[in-house]
Amino acid sequence: SSEVTQDPAVSVALGQTVRITCQGVSVRGYRASWYQQKPGQAPVVVIYGQNSRPSGIPDRFSASSSGETSTLTITGAQAEDEADYYCNSRDSSTLLEVFGGGTRLTVL
Amino acid sequence: EVHLVESGGGLVKPGGSLRLSCAASGFTFANAWMRWVRQAPGKGLEWVGQIKSKVDAGATAYAASVKGRVSISRDDSKNTLYLQMHSLKTEDTAVYYCTTDSAWHFDGDYYYRHETDYWGRGTLVTVSS
Repeated sequence: SSEVTQDPAVSVALGQTVRITCQGVSVRGYRASWYQQKPGQAPVVVIYGQNSRPSGIPDRFSASSSGETSTLTITGAQAEDEADYYCNSRDSSTLLEVFGGGTRLTVL
Repeated sequence: EVHLVESGGGLVKPGGSLRLSCAASGFTFANAWMRWVRQAPGKGLEWVGQIKSKVDAGATAYAASVKGRVSISRDDSKNTLYLQMHSLKTEDTAVYYCTTDSAWHFDGDYYYRHETDYWGRGTLVTVSS
């Protein structure tokens, strides 16, 4: 199966650390990319490659991979981090891309 | 600066056809792999398909949900990407995003994307009678 699952919603207190996970067989062997999407806007990459951040993305965003789980960590969450987050990987059997279902992050 | 501008969206009846375009600038389009991603209203992101550069034979790949009904093409002389859609269904209603794409590299343990990607603002396709 190419299904990649994410918790639908996560909340974090302002300034605290939050971890958003992405699980599935399609994640095994891949460093997932992570996207942030705010209402009415196109998604933006926050993490890609070997834990790389595009220009302009704060260093409080990081990611790690282990087994069938990829984790996006936001260390010291800010109000502006409130958004939907999606992971992106590839099905190892079909080699077709897959997105996780998305996690809505609320910063309290 | 990379710019991707989608166009061609609109209202179409079930069973109809539509061609979306994506005008690219700010990078060497002919060398770029490109993809389409869609998002149904209130839903998550769904990969639609990919086209590689001519150097990589312009190979295409499609999601199972659209395979046989859509075709991705490119005109490198016009820096434009296309998504031709046929036999449209109500479930194809979505915002369609054009994005750059990249190959997956292997670091000995994991595959990973070696480049970030860029997205357009999207164009809305509504399939309804």
